[in-house]
Amino acid sequence: AQKITQTQPGMFVQEKEAVTLDCTYDTSDQSYGLFWYKQPSSGEMIFLIYQGSYDEQNATEGRYSLNFQKARKSANLVISASQLGDSAMYFCAMRGYLYNTDKLIFGTGTRLQVFP
Amino acid sequence: DAGVIQSPRHEVTEMGQEVTLRCKPISGHDYLFWYRQTMMRGLELLIYFNNNVPIDDSGMPEDRFSAKMPNASFSTLKIQPSEPRDSAVYFCASSSRDSSSDNEKLFFGSGTQLSVL
Repeated sequence: AQKITQTQPGMFVQEKEAVTLDCTYDTSDQSYGLFWYKQPSSGEMIFLIYQGSYDEQNATEGRYSLNFQKARKSANLVISASQLGDSAMYFCAMRGYLYNTDKLIFGTGTRLQVFP
Repeated sequence: DAGVIQSPRHEVTEMGQEVTLRCKPISGHDYLFWYRQTMMRGLELLIYFNNNVPIDDSGMPEDRFSAKMPNASFSTLKIQPSEPRDSAVYFCASSSRDSSSDNEKLFFGSGTQLSVL
């Protein structure tokens, strides 16, 4: 079985500050992948970052980094130097590559508001 | 690359009508997913394919929903007959996985906004 939990329905951050969006997961797979997506008000799903369960280093993509703590089963997204355009819904997702036959499931999302 | 292409972008139909949503995955991707997004239920996985074969359709709500992938470049999601509660945004996504680097890229289409009156 797989489960993704995002406990923060909404977050506020001031422009230029860093913000952490929480994500915890549960899976019976030893091999899995973790994703973060951004969904602005226009509705499209934008891929941000990916972390494989065997990656020893935390993934980074520009201002996005994934704080991967395997023992705690957490995969928090860190956005540095927030911009007004970062205001959006953010979804954490997971794929299990063995027992869960590659199914990709999503958390409920966190709405991030960046203010000047 | 053009990305994942979905059509139509918007669909308005009357209850009881047949609705067909279309998806063209990114060339070379071997997985294709169909999701439904509503305010109440969030993003729900309906069905996914690997190499054109349906792997898991346990998320398909009921027999009114069906999906096909006749070849690697095309998939359809059909609702017959449609009902007002089917109103949602339907997303298609495709992915490939580089086993040598354990990296994965998974991309979504722009979605189809379906309204059933």
